Amino acid sequence: GAGVSQSPSNKVTEKGKDVELRCDPISGHTALYWYRQSLGQGLEFLIYFQGNSAPDKSGLPSDRFSAERTGGSVSTLTIQRTQQEDSAVYLCASSSRVRAGGSKITDTQYFGPGTRLTVL
Amino acid sequence: AQSVTQPDIHITVSEGASLELRCNYSYGATPYLFWYVQSPGQGLQLLLKYFSGDTLVQGIKGFEAEFKRSQSSFNLRKPSVHWSDAAEYFCAVAIDNFGNEKLTFGTGTRLTIIP
Repeated sequence: GAGVSQSPSNKVTEKGKDVELRCDPISGHTALYWYRQSLGQGLEFLIYFQGNSAPDKSGLPSDRFSAERTGGSVSTLTIQRTQQEDSAVYLCASSSRVRAGGSKITDTQYFGPGTRLTVL
Repeated sequence: AQSVTQPDIHITVSEGASLELRCNYSYGATPYLFWYVQSPGQGLQLLLKYFSGDTLVQGIKGFEAEFKRSQSSFNLRKPSVHWSDAAEYFCAVAIDNFGNEKLTFGTGTRLTIIP
């Protein structure tokens, strides 16, 4: 596709339920990021995938949060036993990382439209 | 750890007036610097970026930003704003952490345009 897509665009769930959020990155992009945008915390990094390397999960706020990336493309962010403080917009971004010899070339993260999660 | 400060939470300017949005970062070396714009209900759109070289960078929609190492700043400017520029603007920095260039964002500046 032309850009990063995310689904669903909106998700309303009840406290305690599990939710899955999906991200389709730009074709050919090897790096994928998840961020969360909430009123109290602003924009926060959650998790990073790069190729077949182990993901950087350092931004995940609790063990209720997990993510996977299948086949190096689509990613799913799962939140178990949702809490009201999980209500936020979840943004996915992808980028293409290129290194050239001794000089590093880095690329830009392109963001999807986000999934607005509301936990009642 | 790096941090980003956008000191202005909300700015109001008249259509046609000039604009400057402030951004200061805290990091020991030169990070990669970005400005993103977010319109209501939309995702983040990249306006411009600075990696190295010329400290004045041009972006889309007539925006530009200047990296000033001595002031640890990366302020965004536009000579004449249009009503369509009303949005929220985020400054962000990234450092290379073993290939992970996760973005650290400022808290954003909301721009209102008045006729």
